[in-house]
Amino acid sequence: DAGITQSPRHKVTETGTPVTLRCHQTENHRYMYWYRQDPGHGLRLIHYSYGVKDTDKGEVSDGYSVSRSKTEDFLLTLESATSSQTSVYFCAISAGTSTYEQYFGPGTRLTVT
Amino acid sequence: AQSVAQPEDQVNVAEGNPLTVKCTYSVSGNPYLFWYVQYPNRGLQFLLKYITGDNLVKGSYGFEAEFNKSQTSFHLKKPSALVSDSALYFCAVRDLEYGNKLVFGAGTILRVKS
Repeated sequence: DAGITQSPRHKVTETGTPVTLRCHQTENHRYMYWYRQDPGHGLRLIHYSYGVKDTDKGEVSDGYSVSRSKTEDFLLTLESATSSQTSVYFCAISAGTSTYEQYFGPGTRLTVT
Repeated sequence: AQSVAQPEDQVNVAEGNPLTVKCTYSVSGNPYLFWYVQYPNRGLQFLLKYITGDNLVKGSYGFEAEFNKSQTSFHLKKPSALVSDSALYFCAVRDLEYGNKLVFGAGTILRVKS
């Protein structure tokens, strides 16, 4: 998985609670991404980062925030979890500025009850 | 906006037969196209990409893809399917917005039967 780890791998939480997911990379890639995967939708971008403290919204960012205080860590926070945020969350890194393929972590399965 | 479509939810093929998983794209400008595979409870694995050059792109695990500009297609192929190829396959295209994000199709389940 290209030196990308995600934690936790599984989480069950209650509606209204905050949740933070962590992505860690070991290869100092500049670009990092958070996607969610839902049946019939493929993967959709939540937020991305282009450097330390440099982040921006993706197409489905409502209800989510991110932070990147170190190159290797990219955190995704669900401010107040809702059942519609039950999903599998994937972190990805971009391998380079001329090739654009991305490499993905193993995912976090989040269930909001 | 860039988009890709995978017209088949599922493809069934017998082991040893050739397989094709279809993808069509809609982009402004030159397309940067990708195929990924996902095994159960795993992340996505990069298979191959088309950036420019030869229309037949070779990738991992014996897969290849054919870029066809006139038909706006980028179909994934393999000459002889293995049972272990059974997985979920995604086609994707680079979008210039959002930090060069990837835009994914909905995915195609490939089932290879022995």
